[in-house]
Amino acid sequence: DSGVTQTPKHLITATGQRVTLRCSPRSGDLSVYWYQQSLDQGLQFLIQYYNGEERAKGNILERFSAQQFPDLHSELNLSSLELGDSALYFCASSEEAGLAGGPGTGNEQFFGPGTRLTVL
Amino acid sequence: AQKITQTQPGMFVQEKEAVTLDCTYDTSDPSYGLFWYKQPSSGEMIFLIYQGSYDQQNATEGRYSLNFQKARKSANLVISASQLGDSAMYFCAMREGQEYGNKLVFGAGTILRVKS
Repeated sequence: DSGVTQTPKHLITATGQRVTLRCSPRSGDLSVYWYQQSLDQGLQFLIQYYNGEERAKGNILERFSAQQFPDLHSELNLSSLELGDSALYFCASSEEAGLAGGPGTGNEQFFGPGTRLTVL
Repeated sequence: AQKITQTQPGMFVQEKEAVTLDCTYDTSDPSYGLFWYKQPSSGEMIFLIYQGSYDQQNATEGRYSLNFQKARKSANLVISASQLGDSAMYFCAMREGQEYGNKLVFGAGTILRVKS
């Protein structure tokens, strides 16, 4: 158990709908990351938040948005869903935003169990 | 351009033998980190090992070691004494300098099957 929790575990919805995925980071971790894993795109970074503020953005569609709340949990909102959005969505957390402590610092990311989204 | 390349889509290894999973990377940033994650069939991502670009010694964590060859830009994972529970997908990932935040770029993965 990584200490990162994600809900729900599975989500089945229809095209055009909107869903919210929730993530609670490990205790003490200030950074939250969202990744998408699909068969055709592999594992892709979507977005990172650090202590409530957006820190880095990856291949996140405009239909997707995220936020991190004062209690550090994060939500990923996916709207106008398409069949191609079906994927496993991971949340990860780490202590710091980047290379805290200088080179050689691991600052590894610990992943939650993922939310499997199926769009029908 | 591909930042992380894992050239072995699938590997077989006999139980109790060692196996090496290949990973090459591409970056011009002198400060970066390399990670290996394991993804069993259940789907979760499990952190295995980390190597920093300035680390002088190869990282080791139990049965896992990272063969870091900086000049060749390779970071191969070595699993010693393979166990049936090692059967999984293995991902190599890289984090570049701080200006990129802390995002990880993943390779396509290698499926490892341990035979009894």
